[in-house]
Amino acid sequence: EVQLVESGGDLVQPGRSLRLSCSASGYTFDDYAVNWVRQAPGKGLEWVGFIRRKAYGGTTQYAASVKGRFTISRDESKDIAYLQMNSLKTEDTAVYYCTRGLSAFDVWGQGTKVTVSS
Amino acid sequence: DVVMTQSPLSLPVTLGQPASISCRSSQSLLYSDGNTYFNWFHQRPGQSPRRLIYKVSNRDSGVPDRFSGSGSGTDFTLRISRVEAEDVGVYYCMQATHWPLTFGGGTKVEI
Repeated sequence: EVQLVESGGDLVQPGRSLRLSCSASGYTFDDYAVNWVRQAPGKGLEWVGFIRRKAYGGTTQYAASVKGRFTISRDESKDIAYLQMNSLKTEDTAVYYCTRGLSAFDVWGQGTKVTVSS
Repeated sequence: DVVMTQSPLSLPVTLGQPASISCRSSQSLLYSDGNTYFNWFHQRPGQSPRRLIYKVSNRDSGVPDRFSGSGSGTDFTLRISRVEAEDVGVYYCMQATHWPLTFGGGTKVEI
């Protein structure tokens, strides 16, 4: 079964850092890009960023709201993608999902909750 | 950024009756490779989003055939031929033609 599992969500204070993980299984991780999408409480979906396949350079793109603070990486040896979040703000409070593919978004994880509060 | 505008925001439906949701983009979603990277998603309360339709009109595996997608350029529509109870939730459109990728604000479907 193709599956994505996020982890690492927590309650953190503003200005602190947190790293989320997205563990993939059931498919060849190297063959797909990974996107991160977030959903603030009671709100809609917001694209956060994306990392290409390593074969395409593993390059990244980010939403303006997180650019310079968030970094996406991937580890093909572990089939895991990461979302490093620095200088967290209260408005980063959300459930964070990882999803597969450059434009596909065909498989989603269950999400991990990040709460930024003092 | 490409703005995705969904309507209506809320859609009361009757079981067994048809329903449709509109999504308009502020720019054409036709990519230079000839594809239109436009998807529809469904999210039930407390669950992750699930893709229903990709590239405008392609239904995902396991999605009932009462769901259909259509449109081109900047205007897109999701249709449900006969609403069932399990169809409640929020529907989102999304474009992946232009950076940054953007979602519509969502349409809440309720019985």
